[in-house]
Amino acid sequence: DAGVIQSPRHEVTEMGQEVTLRCKPISGHNSLFWYRQTMMRGLELLIYFNNNVPIDDSGMPEDRFSAKMPNASFSTLKIQPSEPRDSAVYFCASSLGGANEKLFFGSGTQLSVL
Amino acid sequence: DAKTTQPTSMDCAEGRAANLPCNHSTISGNEYVYWYRQIHSQGPQYIIHGLKNNETNEMASLIITEDRKSSTLILPHATLRDTAVYYCIVFNAGNNRKLIWGLGTSLAVNP
Repeated sequence: DAGVIQSPRHEVTEMGQEVTLRCKPISGHNSLFWYRQTMMRGLELLIYFNNNVPIDDSGMPEDRFSAKMPNASFSTLKIQPSEPRDSAVYFCASSLGGANEKLFFGSGTQLSVL
Repeated sequence: DAKTTQPTSMDCAEGRAANLPCNHSTISGNEYVYWYRQIHSQGPQYIIHGLKNNETNEMASLIITEDRKSSTLILPHATLRDTAVYYCIVFNAGNNRKLIWGLGTSLAVNP
C-alpha cells in the first residue's frame, strides 16, 4: 500500500487566492482527518470524517475553510480566500476507526500564502 | 481527554536505550496511552499504544505504571534515525476522537 497520499507537496500562493489541498487515504480506512501544524500552535485537528461523513469540524478556523469527502478514496481541504496566517503544514491522516486510534499520516502540504 | 506532561528535550547516545517519560496523572480507566513520533519534515508516525499492560513491538516498548499515571517509551538501541519529536497522547474513543497533541519531547540521538 502506498500509504496516505497528499498533493501538492508544496503550495505557494498569493493572499486572496483559492487553495485546494488533496488527500487519498489508505484503502479500507474509514476515518479521515485533516490537521494543521504551525510552530506556534503545534498540531491541530481541523476536521475528521467517518465513512465519508463529517463528524467534527469544530477545529475549522473560520468559514474560509471547507472540507469535503465525496467518496472513500478522496478528500479535499479548501481555503477561500487564503490569508498569510494560513501558512502552515497541512496533514491528512486516515485510520480504520473503532476503539483504537492508530493514525497513518501523509507527508503533508507546505502552504505559503504571500 | 486527560492531559500529558513530557520533558521538552532529551539526549541519547547512539546504541544506548532511550527512555522517554510521560505523566498522565488524570487518565481515566478507559483511556489509552498512545505514542507517535515526528521526524523533521515528515508526518507523525505511530509507534505503540497500551491500556494497562506493558507492550512491545518492533519499534519500541511501552511501560505503564500500575496506577497508570505515567508511562515510559523505550527505544532499546537508539540510532541517529530515531532523532525526532516524540508525542505521548491519552485517547478516549468514547469522546470525539480528538487526539490532543502537546509539544512532545525532542529527542536528539548523538553519535
